[in-house]
Amino acid sequence: SQTIHQWPATLVQPVGSPLSLECTVEGTSNPNLYWYRQAAGRGLQLLFYSVGIGQISSEVPQNLSASRPQDRQFILSSKKLLLSDSGFYLCAWSGFREGYGYTFGSGTRLTVV
Amino acid sequence: AQKVTQAQTEISVVEKEDVTLDCVYETRDTTYYLFWYKQPPSGELVFLIRRNSFDEQNEISGRYSWNFQKSTSSFNFTITASQVVDSAVYFCALSEGSDGGTSYGKLTFGQGTILTVHP
Repeated sequence: SQTIHQWPATLVQPVGSPLSLECTVEGTSNPNLYWYRQAAGRGLQLLFYSVGIGQISSEVPQNLSASRPQDRQFILSSKKLLLSDSGFYLCAWSGFREGYGYTFGSGTRLTVV
Repeated sequence: AQKVTQAQTEISVVEKEDVTLDCVYETRDTTYYLFWYKQPPSGELVFLIRRNSFDEQNEISGRYSWNFQKSTSSFNFTITASQVVDSAVYFCALSEGSDGGTSYGKLTFGQGTILTVHP
């Protein structure tokens, strides 16, 4: 069965420090991968998605970047964190065809201080 | 552009009451998929249901039921005899339809409805 792992679960980082969040998927090949952010409140904002190794699409210009060095690995990064980067980050995967829906990781709660 | 609207920001009910969460969507696609997710206090999003645009049959799963009406572009979710464990944020979402086979399955989420069930 497919599983998705996301870490760390919580993170407190000072402003200006770098960031690296990692997400890996097991039990499937060539998944579509996504990074979402949920700021204080409710909405889910799509940040990046990837349909293959090295293929990254950005939905919202920001202080973050994403990379996909391996088929089932998706990394969210920042060189210098801002206070506004605080939030709950969720990684997700889906099958290639539309309508499969997402399976989400357990999320990373990032607090920038 | 696709859009999902959950007009109810917060709903508060007493245990055993029935509650309906509204979801209205906008899309130009003829083929699309609708979803509901639950986000308990732990934060992880839990998949509840998927419905494609060609299947308007209502669905019931235990205390949960879903009413899909294309005529009004709505996909409402009802919890019967609510329980404290139902307290969570609920998200409705819409998936892009086929686009020459290049659809990437991106989901557009509504803003979510916070449901609080009091004992």
